[in-house]
Amino acid sequence: DGGITQSPKYLFRKEGQNVTLSCEQNLNHDAMYWYRQDPGQGLRLIYYSQIVNDFQKGDIAEGYSVSREKKESFPLTVTSAQKNPTAFYLCASSPNGATNEKLFFGSGTQLSVL
Amino acid sequence: GENVEQHPSTLSVQEGDSAVIKCTYSDSASNYFPWYKQELGKRPQLIIDIRSNVGEKKDQRIAVTLNKTAKHFSLHITETQPEDSAVYFCAATPFYNQGGKLIFGQGTELSVKP
Repeated sequence: DGGITQSPKYLFRKEGQNVTLSCEQNLNHDAMYWYRQDPGQGLRLIYYSQIVNDFQKGDIAEGYSVSREKKESFPLTVTSAQKNPTAFYLCASSPNGATNEKLFFGSGTQLSVL
Repeated sequence: GENVEQHPSTLSVQEGDSAVIKCTYSDSASNYFPWYKQELGKRPQLIIDIRSNVGEKKDQRIAVTLNKTAKHFSLHITETQPEDSAVYFCAATPFYNQGGKLIFGQGTELSVKP
């Protein structure tokens, strides 16, 4: 299972703290995505990036921030403004960001609040 | 915007029986409908997809059907096996979409009992 790597696998956040989730891919994909997975709610898009130095808000971007300084990397910061951060976070990539492309997912990060 | 509803949320079948999972979508402009399988503790993986120019697609024991008029599509798994046990997500994306933004259903937890 190579290709797209997320770290850490488990992360704990204290109240008022910002935490950053790492996502790295060696697939040479242009597009990268962050999804949040909550039980019974499917996958909801937080942010996506089709190209380096550009990214767009998804459906639930409030309380999150991202950067895309390198093609391989798309880190997600969960800020203190996100009041309910406990969830499973999945990073994904696709070759060109076109509508009909297969998404390649990472293995996820479980974030919990202390 | 697009909304995808998925039913049932849980499904239990005996090994060898068939399983059917249904999804409805709201945006008639949607033209791509993938299905992802997420085994326990693993990342989601694409198992089959269908485009709006076809009504049915098969891949061994898995098939997907699409009814554009009714705006629903279904996943059919025949001769189920214990390794089919997983959470299945449907998704849809409208033709005007940019960035491969998929709208996911809530997920169905399939349990295949030996």
